[in-house]
Amino acid sequence: GENVEQHPSTLSVQEGDSAVIKCTYSDSASNYFPWYKQELGKRPQLIIDIRSNVGEKKDQRIAVTLNKTAKHFSLHITETQPEDSAVYFCAAIPSGNTGKLIFGQGTTLQVKP
Amino acid sequence: GAGVSQSPSNKVTEKGKDVELRCDPISGHTALYWYRQSLGQGLEFLIYFQGNSAPDKSGLPSDRFSAERTGGSVSTLTIQRTQQEDSAVYLCASSSRTESLYNEQFFGPGTRLTVL
Repeated sequence: GENVEQHPSTLSVQEGDSAVIKCTYSDSASNYFPWYKQELGKRPQLIIDIRSNVGEKKDQRIAVTLNKTAKHFSLHITETQPEDSAVYFCAAIPSGNTGKLIFGQGTTLQVKP
Repeated sequence: GAGVSQSPSNKVTEKGKDVELRCDPISGHTALYWYRQSLGQGLEFLIYFQGNSAPDKSGLPSDRFSAERTGGSVSTLTIQRTQQEDSAVYLCASSSRTESLYNEQFFGPGTRLTVL
């Protein structure tokens, strides 16, 4: 079945710096890759997603890139702010028709003011 | 409108007892998912409902776990004879699935289960 690996597990950056989180997946038939942000004690919320027919997608300070050949995708956050501090999860939908998400282990991002 | 809701928010139980966790999805969402989040871990898929049927139960850890959905809406996850390793946050998510299976999944706040 699908396996998603995420790294780093923790990331600490200075406010204003960029942060990059990387994920790899195993199922070559996967073609949808969302990223969720989970603040402490709160529910996960979708921040950006990408489909396999697109190589890059941007939304203000957040961008996601996808390399289908290498089976990896990355989240890029520019000009980080303290409110970006949270746990970020990548995910993939494996082949099949359920739409279930297979998640990475999460990255705890700390943005220091 | 109202988001996904779950109850109870916290549940403390003794080993061996049965527990029921409830999920109210967003109105009109046909797809419903249960996930489990253990301390410091990612989210682990448990079961998927489309309407009232569960075509994918592959993530249920053992036969002590079961779930049902009625009226295409509310879902209940039941854990029988709870064990300490069942302690986790149980999250429910719903999705409209009207156009594709890539529609956003909206998560509930979760139920934190502690088995003593």
